[in-house]
Amino acid sequence: GESVGLHLPTLSVQEGDNSIINCAYSNSASDYFIWYKQESGKGPQFIIDIRSNMDKRQGQRVTVLLNKTVKHLSLQIAATQPGDSAVYFCAESSQGAQKLVFGQGTRLTINP
Amino acid sequence: ETGVTQTPRHLVMGMTNKKSLKCEQHLGHNAMYWYKQSAKKPLELMFVYNFKEQTENNSVPSRFSPECPNSSHLFLHLHTLQPEDSALYLCASSQDLASASVNEKLFFGSGTQLSVL
Repeated sequence: GESVGLHLPTLSVQEGDNSIINCAYSNSASDYFIWYKQESGKGPQFIIDIRSNMDKRQGQRVTVLLNKTVKHLSLQIAATQPGDSAVYFCAESSQGAQKLVFGQGTRLTINP
Repeated sequence: ETGVTQTPRHLVMGMTNKKSLKCEQHLGHNAMYWYKQSAKKPLELMFVYNFKEQTENNSVPSRFSPECPNSSHLFLHLHTLQPEDSALYLCASSQDLASASVNEKLFFGSGTQLSVL
C-alpha cells in the first residue's frame, strides 16, 4: 500500500547551520508533495510544496528537492534559527486521490 | 492564526462521558477534515466533508460521530471513548478537496488535546 515515511525521527543541528530533512514515499503515482511544520501546541503549518514536474523549488530560507527516480523528497532549511525548532511532516497526494497522505514526522532541535 | 479555530484546546473525559469538539473556519473553504494525531504515528485522516456532505469515513469507530451543519463549522461528537483514543484531534479545511490536480493545501487548527481516563 502507499506510505510516506521519514528516514529519521529526530535531527539536531547547530544554530546557523543548514538542516536537511528527508522523506521517502512509495506511491509511484504521487505527483504533489507538501512540507508542513508543527510547533509545540500548534497545528501543522504549510511551508512549501512541489509538483512532480519539478525537481527543486525554493522559498524563503527553505528549498524542497524531489527525486522521482528514488521516490525521495527533502526539505533544506538554510541558516537554521531557534524558531525552526518543530516537527516537520511531508505529505503527498496523487491524481484522483483527493486526500493527503502524511509521513510520521521529524523533530528538529536547534543547539545554541 | 490560520483561520481555523478549535475548541476546547484541552479536554479530559471519562469513558462514559459524552463530549463534542468544535471547529470553525473563517477562510471561506468548502472542505473540512478531522485528523487524529497520536505520538509516533502519522496523521490519521478520520473524516472528510465537502460542501457539508461527508465524502470519507476512514473506518472510524462509531463512538466518533462527525457533524457538519454548514461549510464553516465541523463537530466531532464523542461517546464511550477508550483510553487509546487519547490523542490530539486536528481540524483542517481546504478550498476544495485536497487534490494533486489543484495543489490543494490544508489549513489546520491548533487541535484539541484529548485525554480519556
